[in-house]
Amino acid sequence: QVQLVQSGAEVKKPGASIKVSCKTSGYTFTGYHMHWVRQAPGQGLEWMGIINPSGGNTFYAQNFQGRVTMTRDTSTSTVNMELSSLRSEDTAVYYCAVDYNDYFNWGQGTLVTVSS
Amino acid sequence: SYELTQPPSVSVSPGQTARITCSGDALSRQYANWNQQKPGQAPVSVIYKDTERPSGIPERFSGSSSGTTVTLTISGVQAEDEADYYCQSADSSGGTPHVVFGGGTKLTVL
Repeated sequence: QVQLVQSGAEVKKPGASIKVSCKTSGYTFTGYHMHWVRQAPGQGLEWMGIINPSGGNTFYAQNFQGRVTMTRDTSTSTVNMELSSLRSEDTAVYYCAVDYNDYFNWGQGTLVTVSS
Repeated sequence: SYELTQPPSVSVSPGQTARITCSGDALSRQYANWNQQKPGQAPVSVIYKDTERPSGIPERFSGSSSGTTVTLTISGVQAEDEADYYCQSADSSGGTPHVVFGGGTKLTVL
């Protein structure tokens, strides 16, 4: 079955960068687009962007353009999301979600805390 | 920009039917999905392409669409259905599809 396993929680200082990984299994890695979604404490879901693991093409939501980079490693079936210039408002749970057969299969989430 | 509008909260008694709506102009031409999120957990898809149910999702969950509004219906609500529900769709304006979520609806089982 489809499984997405994300890296562990992290604490970062303002201005730093964070890289969250999402290791996949149970399906053809290059066959399905991967999305990143975040959720600030007590808030709703916010879409960050999408990567096509086949060619590495990406598209980022306007709110994150210039600060986010999504990459993939086909040798390990892993997708990564890097967010730079962190600020306190970036404190959130970050999810990867594969668009598998027209619906999202979600990772378990990674809590990123930005605090001085 | 494209927005999806949901009621902040819906309350029902166990065994009753809960209906959660989601409205947005593009829903007349784009499919909607529904995600359930329980406290401290990752979301789970419960309906996709307006009316389809992923394997493993109970039959009491169903979806419908009419014009610019989609509806998630939970028949015979159980205590375990208490959760936040988010509708999700795509916006293709500008040539590249991207995803939009509704603000979420908190379902309370009385």
